[in-house]
Amino acid sequence: DARVTQTPRHKVTEMGQEVTMRCQPILGHNTVFWYRQTMMQGLELLAYFRNRAPLDDSGMPKDRFSAEMPDATLATLKIQPSEPRDSAVYFCASGFTGGTEAFFGQGTRLTVV
Amino acid sequence: QQQVKQSPQSLIVQKGGISIINCAYENTAFDYFPWYQQFPGKGPALLIAIRPDVSEKKEGRFTISFNKSAKQFSLHIMDSQPGDSATYFCAASKDNNDMRFGAGTRLTVKP
Repeated sequence: DARVTQTPRHKVTEMGQEVTMRCQPILGHNTVFWYRQTMMQGLELLAYFRNRAPLDDSGMPKDRFSAEMPDATLATLKIQPSEPRDSAVYFCASGFTGGTEAFFGQGTRLTVV
Repeated sequence: QQQVKQSPQSLIVQKGGISIINCAYENTAFDYFPWYQQFPGKGPALLIAIRPDVSEKKEGRFTISFNKSAKQFSLHIMDSQPGDSATYFCAASKDNNDMRFGAGTRLTVKP
C-alpha cells in the first residue's frame, strides 16, 4: 500500500523552539512538495523538489524555514525559531516526472504556543 | 499571490441537488487542472482532472467544465450526497511542477 508518510502527526511546541517535520515520499516518486494549510490561506505551496534538488522555495519564509532532501526517501521541513503564526497543518506530497497526480500524506498539525 | 481563485468559500446543498464550485486562473502556461477532495483529518486526494484540450470531463457524478478563453473551470457534483461533504480544492500546474491550489470550498450536503 504505497503512501506518503509524515511524522509527527501532531506537534505542540513553545514559541522559539525548533520544529522538524519529516516526510517519506512514495518509493519511485522523484518530486516532493511541501504545503501549508490554514483556514485563511488554504493550501500554500512552500517548496518543491525534483530529484532531491530544490526547484522552488519562494513560498517559504527564508529567515526561519528550511527544506531539504537528505536522500530520496526523506524530506524534511524545519522551522527555527517557531512562532505562533506558524500554527497550521503542513502537508507533504509526492509525484513523478511525467505524471500528474500529487499524492498527499496525512499532514502534521503544528501548534506553536 | 493567489494564482488560482476559487469560489464560493462554503456551500450548503440539499441531498440530490447540484453542487457547483468555480475556479479561475491567470497563468496561461498551466496545462493540468485537477480537483482534490479532502475529508477532515486527511490529506487532499485527487478526485478528477482535465487538460485544456477538452471542454468537459465526466466521471460518475463529477464533471469538470473548462473554458480556456475565459481561464475558468468548474466542478459540478450531480445528485449530491451527504458523503460528498468535504473540502474541495481546485488546482493548476505545468508539467506536474509547481501545483497551485485555490483556497478551498467547504461543501455540506444536508440529508
